[in-house]
Amino acid sequence: AQKVTQAQTEISVVEKEDVTLDCVYETRDTTYYLFWYKQPPSGELVFLIRRNSFDEQNEISGRYSWNFQKSTSSFNFTITASQVVDSAVYFCALSGGGYQKVTFGTGTKLQVIP
Amino acid sequence: DTGVSQDPRHKITKRGQNVTFRCDPISEHNRLYWYRQTLGQGPEFLTYFQNEAQLEKSRLLSDRFSAERPKGSFSTLEIQRTEQGDSAMYLCASSPRPGPTGDEQFFGPGTRLTVL
Repeated sequence: AQKVTQAQTEISVVEKEDVTLDCVYETRDTTYYLFWYKQPPSGELVFLIRRNSFDEQNEISGRYSWNFQKSTSSFNFTITASQVVDSAVYFCALSGGGYQKVTFGTGTKLQVIP
Repeated sequence: DTGVSQDPRHKITKRGQNVTFRCDPISEHNRLYWYRQTLGQGPEFLTYFQNEAQLEKSRLLSDRFSAERPKGSFSTLEIQRTEQGDSAMYLCASSPRPGPTGDEQFFGPGTRLTVL
């Protein structure tokens, strides 16, 4: 069984602050994939980043970066210099197996205050 | 627009009525998924198609729910004898290739169902 835990329900930051969203996952698959999705108030889920289980290299993409640590089963996501447009619900997700059923966490609501 | 589209965007129905939703995936995407999302929760997997074959159904998908993808393109999700507990956002997603490639899924805007 797969499980994704996002312990932070809501976070508020002031614009231009950095913010890190936590994600802890559980899976028995040896190969799996981790994702972060953004759901703005309009409701449509938007893909942000993906990581494969066999590549723990952390990367930065624009204002987004992530920290994948297999040893602690964590996949944290950081937004640097936050902007009001970053206000949304952020979901961490996990897939594994041949058909890529995705298991989502319960989401973290981020509010960026001007 | 070449994204995933869903119709209708909103549906209000009375308990006991049947409803049908449609999803048009991104052209040439082999895989199509249905999810349900309730307020304050993440999307929950309902079912998955690879081309026209329905390969997986969640236990969340009771006998009142049926999904089809007859020609491997668009898909429909029908709920019979709706109940108030069926009120949710129904999301459709598609992804481009078969096999465990780990490709991201592209989501549609969803159909919000309200059962009175």
